[in-house]
Formats: sequence, C-alpha cells, structure tokens
Amino acid sequence: NAGVMQNPRHLVRRRGQEARLRCSPMKGHSHVYWYRQLPEEGLKFMVYLQKENIIDESGMPKERFSAEFPKEGPSILRIQQVVRGDSAAYFCASSRNSGATYEQYFGPGTRLTVT
Amino acid sequence: QQQVKQSPQSLIVQKGGISIINCAYENTAFDYFPWYQQFPGKGPALLIAIRPDVSEKKEGRFTISFNKSAKQFSLHIMDSQPGDSATYFCAAEGYSTLTFGKGTMLLVSP
Repeated sequence: NAGVMQNPRHLVRRRGQEARLRCSPMKGHSHVYWYRQLPEEGLKFMVYLQKENIIDESGMPKERFSAEFPKEGPSILRIQQVVRGDSAAYFCASSRNSGATYEQYFGPGTRLTVT
Repeated sequence: QQQVKQSPQSLIVQKGGISIINCAYENTAFDYFPWYQQFPGKGPALLIAIRPDVSEKKEGRFTISFNKSAKQFSLHIMDSQPGDSATYFCAAEGYSTLTFGKGTMLLVSP
C-alpha cells in the first residue's frame, strides 16, 4: 500500500512566479491536510480538504494561496506570485476519515525555494 | 499564540539511556496526542499516540505519559539508540487538525 506521495520533491521558483504542489493521498484516504514547515520550526496547519470541499482553511494566508482536492486526481496547493518568505517545506498528510480516531500520515514533502 | 509547548529544544543522550521530551497544551478541546519522528529531508512519521482517557501507552521502547489535569504529556524513549537520532514533534489534535510543538532534536551518542 503506497504511502502519501508528493511531487515535486524540490521546487525552485523566482519571485513572482507560481508554485504548484501536488499530493496524492494514501489509498482509501479521502481527507487531505497541508502543513508548512519553516526552518527550525514545527509544522503549521494550512488547510484541510475532502474531495471537492475545503473543510478548514483557517491556517492558509488569505492572499496568493489556494488549495483544491478535485474528484479525480491529486490535491493541489497553489501559491501565486511567490515571495522569499514562502520558502519552506510543504507537507501533505492524509487520513481515512476525520477526527481523533484516524491518524494522519505524512508525505515526504516539497521543498520550495524562492530565489 | 503557541498552543503546544515542547521542551527541550535539543537533547543529547548516551546510547542505552532514557530520552525524555515534554509537551504542554492549553486547549482543552484537544482529544488526541500523537508523536512524530522526523529524519532530515523526510516527512514526519507517526511514532505513537495517546487519547486523554488513558494515562500511559507503551509500544516497544516508546512510552507516552499523559497528565490530563496538568495538560501535559511526555515521550520516553528507553534504551536510546543512535538510530533514534532525529527530530521529535509532539502534536495535539482538535477539530481534525494537528497543532505541533516546535520539535526536539535528539542526538544519541554511541
């Protein structure tokens, strides 16, 4: 059973460009979460999605950031007009269902560098 | 406002010793407390987790102790090994999202 897959693993963008990060959840998992990790910091929650629905986006900046989890295909985290402060590791996690009964399993992350 | 406080920031333990990492939380709505282990360049891997209705959970060399009244929980790694050297994050779940501590960098010396 394949784990959570993320691509690309490394992404370099110039300031002002767009970054698209992809996440394929574990088989049988329909809940996806995105977290951001800055150097020397813990992970910070960004957004929680189910298929075709955003459930909680309270941790996501209001501007330039968006996320989707379409009926078919991976979840996408999109960052428009990237700035140097967006440089971080972005992790996706998935769970079979929501709530404390279901563990979240993390992917290997996408390391975004903005030059 | 940091809702999960983790200490120490870094820890050096000799091989065979006990590693202890502590966390404290504020929000009483949290109802699930996992620990994650992260190696450099990798994603966090779920290590062990506890729910607030029990005070201790043990899995192999890893034990979580949970004090609901004090809103504190800790990870104990018995017989620590060099392969345990990693960064450890405590977390607390509420409303389906995880709030993480800032992490503890553990180094187990041979």
